[in-house]
Amino acid sequence: DAGVTQSPTHLIKTRGQQVTLRCSPKSGHDTVSWYQQALGQGPQFIFQYYEEEERQRGNFPDRFSGHQFPNYSSELNVNALLLGDSALYLCASSFDTGELFFGEGSRLTVL
Amino acid sequence: AQTVTQSQPEMSVQEAETVTLSCTYDTSESDYYLFWYKQPPSRQMILVIRQEAYKQQNATENRFSVNFQKAAKSFSLKISDSQLGDAAMYFCAYLGADSSYKLIFGSGTRLLVRP
Repeated sequence: DAGVTQSPTHLIKTRGQQVTLRCSPKSGHDTVSWYQQALGQGPQFIFQYYEEEERQRGNFPDRFSGHQFPNYSSELNVNALLLGDSALYLCASSFDTGELFFGEGSRLTVL
Repeated sequence: AQTVTQSQPEMSVQEAETVTLSCTYDTSESDYYLFWYKQPPSRQMILVIRQEAYKQQNATENRFSVNFQKAAKSFSLKISDSQLGDAAMYFCAYLGADSSYKLIFGSGTRLLVRP
């Protein structure tokens, strides 16, 4: 049984560019949450998707957007990248509000 | 707003010994959950232990146990018989009962295990 998978594992972008990160939830899970983890800090909640809609959102600007597909996979999009967007982006899945299972993250570097 | 504080950036323990990681939190909610997560170099967050605030009994999972002091808003993690594989970042996290899994994390404690 595959767990939560994320792609790509690493990527480098320049300021002003746009990036899309992808997440496939654990089998049987219908809810996907995204977290941003800056270097040396704990993860911060970006948003959560359930039934293809954003159910809850943290304190992140509109440059951060997402999508959930009918198969429950999800994308995180970040527009107009800033240096401060450099971080590890973690995806976590759950069955509704059950236990969270995390992926290994996508490491984004903005130059 | 809820906050989680981990005041120990780094801790060190001898293999087979016991270590305690500290966590305090602030909330006005009466119903919530607390968690300890482990993040090894592989970066994947792994749930270590979970505590429901309404339960007075401290949670235990094999070598891992917590000391939950609700009045003091303290939630420490004790690791007994430490193993080399326990070396990792440990994060304390808070979840309000009605917040749909918006976890609030502390800044983490790096645990080093000396052979």
